[in-house]
Amino acid sequence: RKEVEQDPGPFNVPEGATVAFNCTYSNSASQSFFWYRQDCRKEPKLLMSVYSSGNEDGRFTAQLNRASQYISLLIRDSKLSDSATYLCAVRPGSGGSNYKLTFGKGTLLTVNP
Amino acid sequence: DAGVIQSPRHEVTEMGQEVTLRCKPISGHDYLFWYRQTMMRGLELLIYFNNNVPIDDSGMPEDRFSAKMPNASFSTLKIQPSEPRDSAVYFCASARLSYNSPLHFGNGTRLTVT
Repeated sequence: RKEVEQDPGPFNVPEGATVAFNCTYSNSASQSFFWYRQDCRKEPKLLMSVYSSGNEDGRFTAQLNRASQYISLLIRDSKLSDSATYLCAVRPGSGGSNYKLTFGKGTLLTVNP
Repeated sequence: DAGVIQSPRHEVTEMGQEVTLRCKPISGHDYLFWYRQTMMRGLELLIYFNNNVPIDDSGMPEDRFSAKMPNASFSTLKIQPSEPRDSAVYFCASARLSYNSPLHFGNGTRLTVT
């Protein structure tokens, strides 16, 4: 099983739709979780961290399910500008060799007018 | 604040040549990472440093790859000799010493080896 796996996509949705991405991780001791957004030919940029109790930032909601070892990202009322690749990232622990961040391969989202 | 700065933005070279990629992390960040991104393999961690010391280089593909961090504000990733399969986008990223700190990426270097 890969360390971090994402929905392969691509997702094509109309404007205003709600879309959800899932990401599973294999290391049950993982401590930190993030969602990144990457536009075409650009660097990944942090979208939001994922907290144990779940968190929301405007139209974006992130959730963590430790029992099933997955994180999710929900985008409500999608906009054309949300079109991008969404990458989940997982960190095994704190300090030393556990500090590396492992990324999923990403899910491409296209929001259509 | 200046972000992570990488150079060059684009590099085209012939097989067998030496390639050196450069990175200046965000000031005050304790960790520096080198990633490689391809369509097939996604974003792969090559190596990362903590306080200029290499911590995990298990992602470095082979001996042709080497990375150094001589001081807190500069790192290099060198490929010698380069091969066509090294063609990819190479990202440098930095982060603070906190387990919940995200990575901040540079613009990347797009390497093409012909």
